Parts: sequence; C-alpha cells; structure tokens
Amino acid sequence: AQTVTQSQPEMSVQEAETVTLSCTYDTSESDYYLFWYKQPPSRQMILVIRQEAYKQQNATENRFSVNFQKAAKSFSLKISDSQLGDAAMYFCAYRSAGDDMRFGAGTRLTVKP
Amino acid sequence: DAGITQSPRHKVTETGTPVTLRCHQTENHRYMYWYRQDPGHGLRLIHYSYGVKDTDKGEVSDGYSVSRSKTEDFLLTLESATSSQTSVYFCAARDSTNEKLFFGSGTQLSVL
Repeated sequence: AQTVTQSQPEMSVQEAETVTLSCTYDTSESDYYLFWYKQPPSRQMILVIRQEAYKQQNATENRFSVNFQKAAKSFSLKISDSQLGDAAMYFCAYRSAGDDMRFGAGTRLTVKP
Repeated sequence: DAGITQSPRHKVTETGTPVTLRCHQTENHRYMYWYRQDPGHGLRLIHYSYGVKDTDKGEVSDGYSVSRSKTEDFLLTLESATSSQTSVYFCAARDSTNEKLFFGSGTQLSVL
C-alpha cells in the first residue's frame, strides 16, 4: 500500500517569513496526484494545492508553492510571507488512479507574530 | 466546497449503542468517502462508495457499515459503538474532473 510520511509533527514560523513543510511518499505508480490540505481550528479541510505527477512544473497558488521531486518521491509545501491565518494542521495526500486517497499524519504549523 | 453537509456535528453516545452519521452532497459526485481522523494518524479511510448501492471497504472498516441509496446521501453506521471509535469523522466527495476531494465539516463522536 502506498504510504505518505510527514516527518515534522510541528513547525513554527515568524509572521512574514517563509516555511517549508516536508512530505515523502512511497509508490510504484507513475501517474498519480498529490495534494496539500489545510485544517484550521475550525476543523474544515481546505484544499491548498494540487500537483499532477506527469507535470514537471511545480504547482503554485498565490503564496503557496510546492517542490515536487518525482524521482525522490518528495512533495514539499512552501508558504511565503506567512500570515497568522496560515496557522493550521497541514496534511499531505496522495492518490493514484484506481486507488484511495492516502494522507500523512499531518504537520501542525504555528505562526508567531 | 461541493456542498457537503454532515450531521450531527457533535454526538456523545454510550458503548454498545448504534450510531448513524449522515452525509449529504449537492454536486452529484459519484464517489463519496468516510474517513476518521485521530491524532498521529491523519485521516484514514473507513468506507467509500462509487455509486448508488456500490460501496467498498477502506483500511479501517471493522465495526462500520455504510449505505448509499441515493447519489446525494452516504450514511455511516456504527452497529455497536466502542470507545475506540471515539474520533472525528469526515465525509468527502471527489470531483472526478479534477480529482479534488471536498470535505464536510466533520462530526466529533464521543463514545463513553
């Protein structure tokens, strides 16, 4: 079974600074999707960014970008100009065709004013 | 957010009682999912559905059953609740056009 590993249970960043959250995954598939979800204290799961494995270009959504290293099976999330509202749990997720979505254990991000 | 509504939002129940959690979507997505969220485990798949009356087990399906009689509704039932089923439960629906998964607001279930 494919697994998703987030090695940083907790991270902190100063407001306006940049932080990178790590994610690695294990798969034998060549075609799949990767996601980062944000879960603020409200508990709502919010899609932050999505990457298709066949695309070499890294996905970007405003202040959020990813570093997708397919050979290394790595999918890190970079948050630039961190804001207080970015404080949340962040989950990395993987899905291949014909398979279910697999989630990492999450990284709790604290933003310091 | 794919118009996903979960009910109830909170529930406290006793060990051994049956519990049903409800999920309703308004976007006509074919695939729907039930996850549970526990500290240190992220979200784990309980059951999923790929159409009306078509369901299958996920990685943590023991003690749970599901039903989908209509495209928009997906029910999760705990036949006889146990304390190990205390968790936050999320329903989700998948948009097949872009593979995005949209979630409901979650149900906090406490089994005493």
